[in-house]
Amino acid sequence: DAMVIQNPRYQVTQFGKPVTLSCSQTLNHNVMYWYQQKSSQAPKLLFHYYDKDFNNEADTPDNFQSRRPNTSFCFLDIRSPGLGDAAMYLCATSRDPQFQAKNIQYFGAGTRLSVL
Amino acid sequence: QKEVEQDPGPLSVPEGAIVSLNCTYSNSAFQYFMWYRQYSRKGPELLMYTYSSGNKEDGRFTAQVDKSSKYISLFIRDSQPSDSATYLCAMGKGNEKLTFGTGTRLTIIP
Repeated sequence: DAMVIQNPRYQVTQFGKPVTLSCSQTLNHNVMYWYQQKSSQAPKLLFHYYDKDFNNEADTPDNFQSRRPNTSFCFLDIRSPGLGDAAMYLCATSRDPQFQAKNIQYFGAGTRLSVL
Repeated sequence: QKEVEQDPGPLSVPEGAIVSLNCTYSNSAFQYFMWYRQYSRKGPELLMYTYSSGNKEDGRFTAQVDKSSKYISLFIRDSQPSDSATYLCAMGKGNEKLTFGTGTRLTIIP
């Protein structure tokens, strides 16, 4: 089955210790998104890649970076995690929303990040 | 005022009941509407999406959109314990980023 796969499912890091979360997809979608979701809140978009073009949300802290080495993979790097960065991180994909004129997104299972 | 309002619940109903989940929105430019189901500690799973006012059915699920009232609903018939989850509405315009509700936490009591 075509899927969006996130690894690891659970990640524990120490305050200030860099961490990388990964996402891969077999849907061959153009766009990949990273969201942060805290308990009982809506997912908050951090940034997205449209093919190789990186699009950062205005309120995403500089502490969060992303890489997309190819169509299938995308990484979220948190350079110096703080206690406030503990959350569920969701990766999503969509197929060429500019061409499709709609932005139907498919999510991975998420990575739950704990910061000690 | 938030662009999308969704009652957070929690909502508890007995097994077999009809469930009604709702979102209201303020931006009349939204063109399409989605419902996601999110189990605890999992990612959102797309249930349904629809473009126009009216109803769309898929098995036990019916999505309803009323653009004149800026109101969307998801109905679940013959609810099952496996339907217990948080339900997120989401809406969009063209290729712009989606706007999500905060989710309604639903529990189906056996």
